[in-house]
This record gives sequence, C-alpha cells and structure tokens, in this order.
Amino acid sequence: EVQLVESGGGLVKPGGGSLRLSCAASGFSFSNAWMIWVRQAPGKGLEWVGRIKSKTDGGTIDYAAPVKGRFTISRDDSKNTLYLQMNSLKTEDTAVYYCTTVDFAGRIYWGQGTLVTVSS
Amino acid sequence: EIVLTQSPATLSLSPGERATLSCRASQSVSSYFAWYQQKPGQAPRLLIYDASNRATGIPARFSGSGSGTDFTLTISSLEPEDFAVYYCQQRINWPWTFGQGTKVEIK
Repeated sequence: EVQLVESGGGLVKPGGGSLRLSCAASGFSFSNAWMIWVRQAPGKGLEWVGRIKSKTDGGTIDYAAPVKGRFTISRDDSKNTLYLQMNSLKTEDTAVYYCTTVDFAGRIYWGQGTLVTVSS
Repeated sequence: EIVLTQSPATLSLSPGERATLSCRASQSVSSYFAWYQQKPGQAPRLLIYDASNRATGIPARFSGSGSGTDFTLTISSLEPEDFAVYYCQQRINWPWTFGQGTKVEIK
C-alpha cells in the first residue's frame, strides 16, 4: 500500500523564517518515482508547488513562480524521503502542504498534509 | 499553463438526486485528467483518474467521462457523505493545474 506521511509544519514568523518539510514514502519504488508538492491555503483551492524527477530521469526540479528562488525540493532515495526547504517565508505561504506521486497506471497518491502557518 | 474551469461553482441538490459536474480545459489534456473529493480538514481523495477510471474503493455511483478539453463527473444518486467540494486536475503538462472547485451542498 502506498503511504506518504508529511511532517515538519508549524508556526514561523514572516520575513526571515524558514522551515523544512519532510515526506516519508513507503509501499512503492521511491527512487523511480517523480514526487510533487501541492499546497492549499485556508479556504482556497489546490496549487502546485514543484516537482522533482527521479535520478534515472535526470532529477530535474521545477518550481511554481510564487516559490521559485525561496523553496528547494530535494530527495534522499536511501531514506525514501522527499523534502521541501522553505526560506524567506511570506504570509501568503500559509497553507497545508501535501506530497504526492503518480504511478505507472495514472493513479495519484496524496499524503495527509502538514500545516505551515506564517504569522507574526 | 493549462487553465481548468469548473462549473457550476455550487450545486444545491437533495440526497438521491443526480449530480453532474463539469470541467473545461484551456487546451487538450487528452485523458490525463482526474477528479477529487475533499471534505473539511481532509486531504483530497482521488475519485477518478485518467478521465474515466474509478480509483480503488470508490463506489460505482461515481463516474467520469470526457477527453480533450471537456470532462464530466457524474454522481448517479447522492448519498449524505457525498456533500463536499470536488476538484478537477490535469497532469499532461507541468505544472499540474487544478480547477477552482465545485461545492455540492444539501438543498
């Protein structure tokens, strides 16, 4: 069974605040998977944050415009873990952050999410 | 970026009624298309993937159709637990994009 478990959310002050989210994966071949972060601000819709390809597919990373230059996605295939390093956080980054992946058949799996609150 | 437009924004129906939700893409997404259900405080739940395939454990009253730019999610007979927000999503191009959601509420 595919499982994605996010952690690391919390309250951080705007401006210089940083946070690192983790996503522990199990039940599938993590090293071969493309992994995606999606977020959802309170009362709003779903927003793609970024994606990291598998190393065998080049490991390319792409980011949404609002987070480019501030957020960094990485992966540790030895630990089956995905990361999202978030720097220079803004109030508009307040959201539940989900990690997701898609399998060969097109099924998309989601974690339960972790809440990040950026507020003074 | 592919824009997905859902309609209507809100659907007010009674249990037992049929619900028809629509999503239109700004360009063709072939069948790389999904529908989700989301309830307050929960993660999105995959209902339909690749336009018409029900995800594991999803009741047969949920069905998806369409390809290219126009897609439909049909709930044949609403159960009390179906009242929620529904999102569509495309994955043919990066970035993945989502519709703004349709709220199905009790009339």
